[in-house]
Amino acid sequence: GAGVSQSPSNKVTEKGKDVELRCDPISGHTALYWYRQSLGQGLEFLIYFQGNSAPDKSGLPSDRFSAERTGGSVSTLTIQRTQQEDSAVYLCASSRTSGRTPYEQYFGPGTRLTVT
Amino acid sequence: RKEVEQDPGPFNVPEGATVAFNCTYSNSASQSFFWYRQDCRKEPKLLMSVYSSGNEDGRFTAQLNRASQYISLLIRDSKLSDSATYLCVVIDYQLIWGAGTKLIIKP
Repeated sequence: GAGVSQSPSNKVTEKGKDVELRCDPISGHTALYWYRQSLGQGLEFLIYFQGNSAPDKSGLPSDRFSAERTGGSVSTLTIQRTQQEDSAVYLCASSRTSGRTPYEQYFGPGTRLTVT
Repeated sequence: RKEVEQDPGPFNVPEGATVAFNCTYSNSASQSFFWYRQDCRKEPKLLMSVYSSGNEDGRFTAQLNRASQYISLLIRDSKLSDSATYLCVVIDYQLIWGAGTKLIIKP
């Protein structure tokens, strides 16, 4: 079966532009997570969706970041007015959790964002 | 103090040796624990869950020490292909990832 997919795989954008990153989770997975990872660093949690709702937005670094999920499936992470410090790999993961305690997460290949 | 801490390494280990590393956590109410493996420039992949009774999967053994609030990962008879960064995940009311321990297996 298909795994988690993300698009684009690479994105280079100019400072100040908006970008939209997409995640397609594994079919039937109710939970979806967004992380970002800078080179050589650990994962930084951004946001978590259970179905279409986001009970935990605590990790979003600023109000330039937003995310939505529709139909309990595809999610988009939008970064407005990008800054150079936004450059990172943005990883999406899904799991078949139905509560607070997740089962294992399956990760997509990530979107490498470079802000010039 | 960070909520989840890992020695970043790198651990340089000869092939065939046994290596172990820990992940400490600060919240005693943490309920679930996992080890993930991440190869260079790749996404993390689940290695194993960590149960209260400990668990073993081939050459890999994971253990939980609630009293001292850490989990451990032991790799026996290490292979070149074990070279990766090992990330721990601790779950209380949120998911918290360690920054990872880099392991390099040398021939």
